[in-house]
Amino acid sequence: QKEVEQNSGPLSVPEGAIASLNCTYSDRVSQSFFWYRQYSGKSPELIMSIYSNGDKEDGRFTAQLNKASQYVSLLIRDSQPSDSATYLCAVRVTTDSWGKLQFGAGTQVVVTP
Amino acid sequence: DGGITQSPKYLFRKEGQNVTLSCEQNLNHDAMYWYRQDPGQGLRLIYYSQIVNDFQKGDIAEGYSVSREKKESFPLTVTSAQKNPTAFYLCASSMAGGPGYSNQPQHFGDGTRLSIL
Repeated sequence: QKEVEQNSGPLSVPEGAIASLNCTYSDRVSQSFFWYRQYSGKSPELIMSIYSNGDKEDGRFTAQLNKASQYVSLLIRDSQPSDSATYLCAVRVTTDSWGKLQFGAGTQVVVTP
Repeated sequence: DGGITQSPKYLFRKEGQNVTLSCEQNLNHDAMYWYRQDPGQGLRLIYYSQIVNDFQKGDIAEGYSVSREKKESFPLTVTSAQKNPTAFYLCASSMAGGPGYSNQPQHFGDGTRLSIL
């Protein structure tokens, strides 16, 4: 079983709609969770981090964390064509306090005009 | 501006050749990391370093070597022992680890794309 799992997509979203991305993880005591956006041919850039159960909002992005169910999700409201990218979920494994991250393979999002 | 600089952007390796990828950061981060990304796949950790003169193997260290002689620099050598080196290589850095820094994210350079001639 992979430690961090994401649907590979592509997730096709009409412009202006909400994109919903999910990520599940296997280490029950993982504490830190991050969402990165990666445009084709580019490096990942951090868009959201979340550490506590519940929702965290930043502009059009909302991260949701449910530690009991071991999933973290990302909502993108009012999706724009510029949101078309691959979104990587990253989880900090607690066996290593120095910050190693486990990455999912990413979900490709395609926003259609 | 603070950031992570990787060079070169593109690199070609001949059969039996070692090549070195450069990574420099001016973010004053203690920890640095090297990842490999293959098409359609996530990031896999090659090596990481928490402090100068110390580094640890990641999940796919075979065929690679690193050094950490300065806080700012963490070069990666792809040796001839790495038979399938074609990939996108990403360097990252973060604040020092430890229980007080577990929420610190990693920040990435622009990457180096390595291909075999």
